[in-house]
Amino acid sequence: GENVEQHPSTLSVQEGDSAVIKCTYSDSASNYFPWYKQELGKGPQLIIDIRSNVGEKKDQRIAVTLNKTAKHFSLHITETQPEDSAVYFCAASLRYSTLTFGKGTMLLVSP
Amino acid sequence: NAGVMQNPRHLVRRRGQEARLRCSPMKGHSHVYWYRQLPEEGLKFMVYLQKENIIDESGMPKERFSAEFPKEGPSILRIQQVVRGDSAAYFCASSPAPQGGQGQQFFGPGTRLTVL
Repeated sequence: GENVEQHPSTLSVQEGDSAVIKCTYSDSASNYFPWYKQELGKGPQLIIDIRSNVGEKKDQRIAVTLNKTAKHFSLHITETQPEDSAVYFCAASLRYSTLTFGKGTMLLVSP
Repeated sequence: NAGVMQNPRHLVRRRGQEARLRCSPMKGHSHVYWYRQLPEEGLKFMVYLQKENIIDESGMPKERFSAEFPKEGPSILRIQQVVRGDSAAYFCASSPAPQGGQGQQFFGPGTRLTVL
């Protein structure tokens, strides 16, 4: 089955800096890659996603890039703010819509 | 437009009891997924259902766990004879009918199960 690796497990940045989280997947048949933000005690919130026919997608301060050849995709957050602090999960979809998740990255943005 | 609803939010059971977790999908969504999250771990897929059908239960333990999504009412994840290892957060997600095999999944707030 699909396997998703996510790095780093923790990331600390200063407010205003950029943050990058990277994921790799194992199955070349996967073709849908969402990113979720999870705050303490809450459910995951979809923040951006990308499909395999697109190399890059941007939504305000958030962007995602996909390299199908290398089987990796990344989340980029620019001009980070304290409210960006949360756990971020990447995921990949192999069949139907079931998602395989990475183990998460705890992002801490210091004022 | 209400999001995905789950109840209860917190559930405490003693070993050997049954746990029933409920999930109401977003309006207009006909697909429901259950995931389990252990402490400091990612989410693990358990089961994928449509109304009255189990589409994929490859992630669900063969014993003690069952799921349903009846024609009327919420989806239910049932855990019989709970053990301490079942303690986790259980999340439900819903999506509209997938287009081309993928549909955006929106998650509920989760049910945190504690087994004493």
